[in-house]
Amino acid sequence: DQQVKQNSPSLSVQEGRISILNCDYTNSMFDYFLWYKKYPAEGPTFLISISSIKDKNEDGRFTVFLNKSAKHLSLHIVPSQPGDSAVYFCAATPIVNRDDKIIFGKGTRLHILP
Amino acid sequence: DTGVSQNPRHKITKRGQNVTFRCDPISEHNRLYWYRQTLGQGPEFLTYFQNEAQLEKSRLLSDRFSAERPKGSFSTLEIQRTEQGDSAMYLCASSLASIYNYGYTFGSGTRLTVV
Repeated sequence: DQQVKQNSPSLSVQEGRISILNCDYTNSMFDYFLWYKKYPAEGPTFLISISSIKDKNEDGRFTVFLNKSAKHLSLHIVPSQPGDSAVYFCAATPIVNRDDKIIFGKGTRLHILP
Repeated sequence: DTGVSQNPRHKITKRGQNVTFRCDPISEHNRLYWYRQTLGQGPEFLTYFQNEAQLEKSRLLSDRFSAERPKGSFSTLEIQRTEQGDSAMYLCASSLASIYNYGYTFGSGTRLTVV
């Protein structure tokens, strides 16, 4: 069962425009959420995170929004740049378990078009 | 500190052979995780260590898989009698006791191809 769902396998966005990547989760015990970015032949790198006590977290061009009642989060990238072309993984973990085991979605491949 | 290091980067092996991968975490990180990623999937949890203790193993980790972290430093993941279905990217990650704010730090992975 897929506890973290990224329903868009790929997304193409014009350079300079906003990229919005979506993620849904099913486990109500999740209360810490993360986004990772992955380039080919590299491991995933941490991008941004959000705790369930917040509904928004911003870091430069990246903003993550959390709608806990809908079990939905999204990553906004503004403005999109060519170097943002990568696979983005949404991930979640239940803090209560204290093991910090992160559950990942299948990823969304973002293409930034010139 | 150069981050999480994994060796080898690539491994091609014949079905039925044993393989071993090594992971060197960031030195001050006491938690170490192994994940597996296949094509079109996100990383899937295999096992994790806190210092030298292996605290959890996924059901994905069959009896042919074994992981160790002697002395709480580097870790090894061994696959015995490899099968074609074991072909995947094996990712190691490490973290401090709390992942909040920075998550895990992943290595570049070991890509295993079983022929």
